Amino acid sequence: NAGVMQNPRHLVRRRGQEARLRCSPMKGHSHVYWYRQLPEEGLKFMVYLQKENIIDESGMPKERFSAEFPKEGPSILRIQQVVRGDSAAYFCASSPENQPQHFGDGTRLSIL
Amino acid sequence: DAKTTQPNSMESNEEEPVHLPCNHSTISGTDYIHWYRQLPSQGPEYVIHGLTSNVNNRMASLAIAEDRKSSTLILHRATLRDAAVYYCILRDAQGAQKLVFGQGTRLTINP
Repeated sequence: NAGVMQNPRHLVRRRGQEARLRCSPMKGHSHVYWYRQLPEEGLKFMVYLQKENIIDESGMPKERFSAEFPKEGPSILRIQQVVRGDSAAYFCASSPENQPQHFGDGTRLSIL
Repeated sequence: DAKTTQPNSMESNEEEPVHLPCNHSTISGTDYIHWYRQLPSQGPEYVIHGLTSNVNNRMASLAIAEDRKSSTLILHRATLRDAAVYYCILRDAQGAQKLVFGQGTRLTINP
């Protein structure tokens, strides 16, 4: 059973470009979570989704960030018009209902 | 979210047991105690969780105090691969699904 797959592992963007981060949950997991880890800081929750629904987006910045988890395909975290402060490691986790979360190895986003 | 308190860092020797403490004095009756760890350049890894009774799995043991205000993660025989940041997290079974990570305990294992 493959784990949570995130791609790309590393992503470099210039200021003002868009970044798309993809997450394929473990088989049978219908819950997806995104977390962000800024350099030298702890992990911060961003958003929690179930298939086609955003359940909790209390950690998402109000502008430029969006997330989706369509009926078919991976979950996508989208960052528009990236700025230097968006440089971070972005982790996705998945779980069945009310079970521990399993994390991917993250996408490291660097903004030039 | 209920808070947890952990030492910033701990050090142990290879092949010795390690006891990682966590205080959670404001824990509620429906909070599960979860432990995750994060190795360098990797995502967090689930270790173990429990509610009231002590728990064992292939990775570790979790000892929960009778009043549930503290718990201890036990690595029975540490290896160099156990060097990581260990996070103790409370998660309400009936509430928010998100994990709230603190600073954790950075565990160093000496050869």
